[in-house]
Amino acid sequence: GAVVSQHPSRVICKSGTSVKIECRSLDFQATTMFWYRQFPKQSLMLMATSNEGSKATYEQGVEKDKFLINHASLTLSTLTVTSAHPEDSSFYICSAESSGEAGETQYFGPGTRLLVL
Amino acid sequence: AQTVTQSQPEMSVQEAETVTLSCTYDTSENNYYLFWYKQPPSRQMILVIRQEAYKQQNATENRFSVNFQKAAKSFSLKISDSQLGDTAMYFCAFIGSGGKLIFGQGTELSVKP
Repeated sequence: GAVVSQHPSRVICKSGTSVKIECRSLDFQATTMFWYRQFPKQSLMLMATSNEGSKATYEQGVEKDKFLINHASLTLSTLTVTSAHPEDSSFYICSAESSGEAGETQYFGPGTRLLVL
Repeated sequence: AQTVTQSQPEMSVQEAETVTLSCTYDTSENNYYLFWYKQPPSRQMILVIRQEAYKQQNATENRFSVNFQKAAKSFSLKISDSQLGDTAMYFCAFIGSGGKLIFGQGTELSVKP
């Protein structure tokens, strides 16, 4: 159980285009999902918290108009990188929070590698 | 502010041996959760083990166990009978009342044949 999928696994796009990344919790419902960015050999950096049915909460320094988050259902959150530029190239990881008997635990998707040319 | 510190950027261990990864954290809260996640070369984050702060008993998952010292704010991970597949980056993480996972810097573990 507690499987999270992420699609696509990798994407290459031209500068100025928009890219949408999907995060799905496959076998549990997640009121809260999280979006992270990770640079090579570094820890995960939280970008935003996605709450089902409400607006996302962005971390300081993250542009909400550039990284659009939608959490329309209890199993799906999407991150859209708008007008992508080469500096947006990175590894993006989502997680879904499971609030079972074991408490709040985040389960992670496999990540999306974005390359902006 | 809550912080998580992993003081060992890299470690190595021989196959079948035991290795311990260190983690310390800082918080003023009394109720929280601690985690160890593994990130192999595929970069998929995998939950290794979880500890509730209110539980005195150390968590164990097969070859993985923790030494949770609440007063010392220490949460080390012991891997017994290390296997080649244990080669990965290991992240210690904390979650408190804020609801956000706070990660340490990571420890890159290499298991050598």
